[in-house]
Amino acid sequence: KAGVTQTPRYLIKTRGQQVTLSCSPISGHRSVSWYQQTPGQGLQFLFEYFSETQRNKGNFPGRFSGRQFSNSRSEMNVSTLELGDSALYLCATAEGWTNTGELFFGEGSRLTVL
Amino acid sequence: AQSVTQLGSHVSVSEGALVLLRCNYSSSVPPYLFWYVQYPNQGLQLLLKYTSAATLVKGINGFEAEFKKSETSFHLTKPSAHMSDAAEYFCAVSSTGANSKLTFGKGITLSVRP
Repeated sequence: KAGVTQTPRYLIKTRGQQVTLSCSPISGHRSVSWYQQTPGQGLQFLFEYFSETQRNKGNFPGRFSGRQFSNSRSEMNVSTLELGDSALYLCATAEGWTNTGELFFGEGSRLTVL
Repeated sequence: AQSVTQLGSHVSVSEGALVLLRCNYSSSVPPYLFWYVQYPNQGLQLLLKYTSAATLVKGINGFEAEFKKSETSFHLTKPSAHMSDAAEYFCAVSSTGANSKLTFGKGITLSVRP
């Protein structure tokens, strides 16, 4: 069974640009969550999607958005990038709701904002 | 609201020594508790989880954790550290309920000295 795939793995952007990150879940997984990981803050929850509906949202500004498609693949978008958005963005998927089950993580997309 | 506290950001042990990583949680309802491990340049992987069954939970790679309600703790232990245990360890909490989400601690980096 293929694991969680995140693309791109590495990217460099400049302030003010926007970026789209992609996550392909394990086959059969309907839930996708996104986390921002930074050395100082650890893992910060961005949002969770289940069957194309946003189920939960963290405390991030509206520049951060996401969506889930009918095949469970998910994308997140960050507009008007700021230096502080530099981080590892992790996607995690699960068969059901993520709060009670095991999450399977991708290797992440490392974003550097210059 | 629920939260997790992992005291200290770095623990160093000798190979063969006991590993003890502390985690305290806050939750207004019975919690689900998890330990995840992250090896360098990888995503997170579930070590073990507590979901209100046995209070002593055994996980992969010889790790175990004990749920202590009176102390609101879920400390991770391993009797004998191996060099391959060097990684970052995250404690996480969630609960039942439609709006519950998985909340991670800031993580602890474990170093193992030869």
